[in-house]
Amino acid sequence: EAGVAQSPRYKIIEKRQSVAFWCNPISGHATLYWYQQILGQGPKLLIQFQNNGVVDDSQLPKDRFSAERLKGVDSTLKIQPAKLEDSAVYLCASSLRQRTGYEQYFGPGTRLTVT
Amino acid sequence: GQQLNQSPQSMFIQEGEDVSMNCTSSSIFNTWLWYKQDPGEGPVLLIALYKAGELTSNGRLTAQFGITRKDSFLNISASIPSDVGIYFCAGQLGLGAGGTSYGKLTFGQGTILTVHP
Repeated sequence: EAGVAQSPRYKIIEKRQSVAFWCNPISGHATLYWYQQILGQGPKLLIQFQNNGVVDDSQLPKDRFSAERLKGVDSTLKIQPAKLEDSAVYLCASSLRQRTGYEQYFGPGTRLTVT
Repeated sequence: GQQLNQSPQSMFIQEGEDVSMNCTSSSIFNTWLWYKQDPGEGPVLLIALYKAGELTSNGRLTAQFGITRKDSFLNISASIPSDVGIYFCAGQLGLGAGGTSYGKLTFGQGTILTVHP
């Protein structure tokens, strides 16, 4: 079974530029998550989708971050304009509701450097 | 909000030694998960725990869900060089929590494990 795919793997941009990340979840996983992981910390949830609807975006800086999941499969996360403090790894994860709970599986991440 | 305190922050051990790390929370979780992250990769799920008091093994790894539902432990026996990495605990409200936060993971700060051959 293919895992969660993300692209690009690395991105370097200047502050105030815009950037977009793409995620393709595991086939059949209805729930998709975007996390931000700053160096030396654990991942922090930015936004959670159930199919193509947003169920939690309380931690998303909405003045500059946006995300969508058209057709309930692939998702894109955009930052516009980027700030220096946005330098981090952006992880996408997906999960399937099972009898016991939601086990999340992560993609390899996109490492963003803002200069 | 919920916070997880993971300890120790780092460990340096010899190959063959056993390792223990733990995670405590200020509030209750219904599910605990342990992940390992290698450099340049996303976290990989090691063990998932769904019931208070549950003890689960996955090869040389053993994890326990604390009775109070506010803590969890991970043990690695007979460590080998490929165990090197960062280990994260994560708590989840899970099924039955209602609302919109059922799938959300709250992560600890991670334990950096170094194994000397």
